[in-house]
Amino acid sequence: AQSVAQPEDQVNVAEGNPLTVKCTYSVSGNPYLFWYVQYPNRGLQFLLKYITGDNLVKGSYGFEAEFNKSQTSFHLKKPSALVSDSALYFCAVRDGNSGYALNFGKGTSLLVTP
Amino acid sequence: DAGITQSPRHKVTETGTPVTLRCHQTENHRYMYWYRQDPGHGLRLIHYSYGVKDTDKGEVSDGYSVSRSKTEDFLLTLESATSSQTSVYFCAISLRASGSTDTQYFGPGTRLTVL
Repeated sequence: AQSVAQPEDQVNVAEGNPLTVKCTYSVSGNPYLFWYVQYPNRGLQFLLKYITGDNLVKGSYGFEAEFNKSQTSFHLKKPSALVSDSALYFCAVRDGNSGYALNFGKGTSLLVTP
Repeated sequence: DAGITQSPRHKVTETGTPVTLRCHQTENHRYMYWYRQDPGHGLRLIHYSYGVKDTDKGEVSDGYSVSRSKTEDFLLTLESATSSQTSVYFCAISLRASGSTDTQYFGPGTRLTVL
């Protein structure tokens, strides 16, 4: 089965510093990978996805993600964190067996302090 | 905003009562999904639909049923609610008609509490 893992429950970073939220994947075939963000009491917002092509994917709000096939990773990054980036981040992978549904990681809570 | 609404947004009910949650889309998209979100589990697929009257089970379908009689509406029913079904429920749609590369967009969620 297609799956992703987010090894960190929480990431703390100071405002202005670079941030990384980690995600590793386990898939058979080509991985279709996604990042979503959830602000408190809100739905999930799409940030970016990797389908094929360039290993560095740029997304919304200044976020980017690096696909690394040899390390089976898809880490989310941002060069300079903002306090407003504090939220819950989910990595997900397409499940080809359930109507193209997504299999999600458990989520990583990002806290950016002033 | 992908034109997805969910109703109700909040509901408190008692064990053993039936509950129906509604997802409505204005985009005429084929694929619709119901997920539940629980701490420590991320989101898990309950059921999905790939067209009117075409539905299938997901990872955590026990205790849930769905119906899709119109393209725009996807209903999730808890026939007899249990406390383990206390959760936040999200509906999602795929913005293209089909395809593994589609992006899913999510509704605002329904917070359900079963006492």
